[in-house]
Formats: sequence, C-alpha cells, structure tokens
Amino acid sequence: KQEVTQIPAALSVPEGENLVLNCSFTDSAIYNLQWFRQDPGKGLTSLLLIQSSQREQTSGRLNASLDKSSGRSTLYIAASQPGDSATYLCAVNDYGGSQGNLIFGKGTKLSVKP
Amino acid sequence: SAVISQKPSRDICQRGTSLTIQCQVDSQVTMMFWYRQQPGQSLTLIATANQGSEATYESGFVIDKFPISRPNLTFSTLTVSNMSPEDSSIYLCSVEREYNNEQFFGPGTRLTVL
Repeated sequence: KQEVTQIPAALSVPEGENLVLNCSFTDSAIYNLQWFRQDPGKGLTSLLLIQSSQREQTSGRLNASLDKSSGRSTLYIAASQPGDSATYLCAVNDYGGSQGNLIFGKGTKLSVKP
Repeated sequence: SAVISQKPSRDICQRGTSLTIQCQVDSQVTMMFWYRQQPGQSLTLIATANQGSEATYESGFVIDKFPISRPNLTFSTLTVSNMSPEDSSIYLCSVEREYNNEQFFGPGTRLTVL
C-alpha cells in the first residue's frame, strides 16, 4: 500500500530565504506526482505536476524534482515571500490504486515571516 | 485549468440529517472525484463519480452513506447521509485533465456536524 510522507511538518523562515520541502513515497510504481498548495479554509491549488518519466518541473520561483527509484520528490521555493505561507501537499498517483486516486501526504505548513 | 465551484461553502448540521454538496465545472470533463479531508488529516478519495453509471467507491466508503450523482459531464453531487460528528470534514471535488492526468480541486465544503 502506497504511503506518502512529508518532512518537515512545519517550517518557519524569514522572507527572502530559499527553502526545500521534502516528500517521500514507498512504492516507486507511480504515474505522476503533484504538488499542491492549500491556504487555510480553502481548496487545493495545483502547483506542479511531474510525470513518472520526468526528473523536474519548474514554474516561476518553484522547482520540483522527482527521483522515482529512491521514492523522493523535493519542492524548491526560491526567494520566499510572506504570500508563500500555506500548507504544501505532495500527492502521488500510483499504479496500485484506482484511476485518479491521489495518495496525499499530510503536508508541510510553511510560514514566511516579513 | 478548469474552474470548479462547490455549494455550499460551509454548513453546520444536526446529527442524523443529510447534506447534499454540489460541484460544478466550467467545461466538460470525463473524470470527476470526491475527496474528504478530516481535521488534521490529509485528503482521502471517497469515490469516482461516473457519468451515466453508478459511482466507484473506495474501500471504507459505501453508497448508502455517500450517494453520488453525475447527471452530465459538468456537474456532480455528493450526499452525506445520516450524519454524525465523525463526518465533520472538508469535502472536495476534483477533476482530471485527460491529456496529462493533472487534477484540479474545487474550493471545498466545510461541514460541521453537531
């Protein structure tokens, strides 16, 4: 059974710092991996999608990498801003589950202080 | 990305009653899903809403408790039946973009059962 773990559970950094959020998964047989952002009381915003054949994806100040063989993904945020404060969720879509069944980690709660 | 709306955005309900949540998408989509996010937990897939046929439920979720309708390719409803305080959660619908399997989520419905 696929399990997704995110470390750290919470992170507080000063504005301007570069940071890395970590995601690990137990079964490397995945279709893809998605990073989301969730603001308090809100739904999820898709940030980046990495297909199983890809190594990384970039969008603006965000860069996500995928090492399928080791079961790891990282989300790199450059020059963090207070507006980046949110919970970041990692989710994998794997071969073992139903189509569309994303397996989520519990998230990393990020606080960027001015 | 698809624009997804949900109604209601939040509700407070009494034990034993039922609530129907609506999900509307601004374009036709084949794959539509319902997730639950319990307090302090990550998201769990409830079911896949199939157009023209019965929904496909994940282990631990049953049709009598969570009946789902999907009358067309832009709309679905999830009913939470005979509610108890343990049903207090955020309920989210999502859709999948066909060409790359990226999922997009609605804003969620925050349900509190007293």
